Amino acid sequence: GAVVSQHPSWVICKSGTSVKIECRSLDFQATTMFWYRQFPKQSLMLMATSNEGSKATYEQGVEKDKFLINHASLTLSTLTVTSAHPEDSSFYICSAHRGNQPQHFGDGTRLSIL
Amino acid sequence: KNQVEQSPQSLIILEGKNCTLQCNYTVSPFSNLRWYKQDTGRGPVSLTIMTFSENTKSNGRYTATLDADTKQSSLHITASQLSDSASYICVVSPSGTYKYIFGTGTRLKVLA
Repeated sequence: GAVVSQHPSWVICKSGTSVKIECRSLDFQATTMFWYRQFPKQSLMLMATSNEGSKATYEQGVEKDKFLINHASLTLSTLTVTSAHPEDSSFYICSAHRGNQPQHFGDGTRLSIL
Repeated sequence: KNQVEQSPQSLIILEGKNCTLQCNYTVSPFSNLRWYKQDTGRGPVSLTIMTFSENTKSNGRYTATLDADTKQSSLHITASQLSDSASYICVVSPSGTYKYIFGTGTRLKVLA
């Protein structure tokens, strides 16, 4: 099946730094990538939808200047958490999608801000 | 408002036993309903997918059912194994969109 790779899988950094998370579709070209956030014991919450070559569409309540999304190619999207603070600590998951195919999820990135 | 609710919130069963997880949704119209398994610290993995016209779909020991009239779905797991311990998420896709609406999940623990 389709493989979606996220990197890094776990990152710990100091408050105030920026963190970049990569999402790659390894064996197909993804026209759309989705970024989700998941808090402990809760389900996934959609943050933004990213289409290749265009600006991301953010869900209500998600700060676009805080969570920068770039989708420069059909196989790579990045999420940058700018000036991260402890409340940004969470599990971030991406998914990739093409045409009528289902979303394929990455294994997530656990972000811990000290 | 489009919502997907699951029950029970958590469940503990003994290895070898069967169990059934429930999903109620208000999404209408919808194009398909999926069940995902999510291991702790991992991304969701698809188990089954059903269109609005399908009633049941099996994948090994997993069998999903769908009643579009009552807007209910269930996931039945037979002969549970320790590796079935995970969160199971019901996901509904509204018609005309590629977005997913995620359920609240059921956390299953299988004990030896």
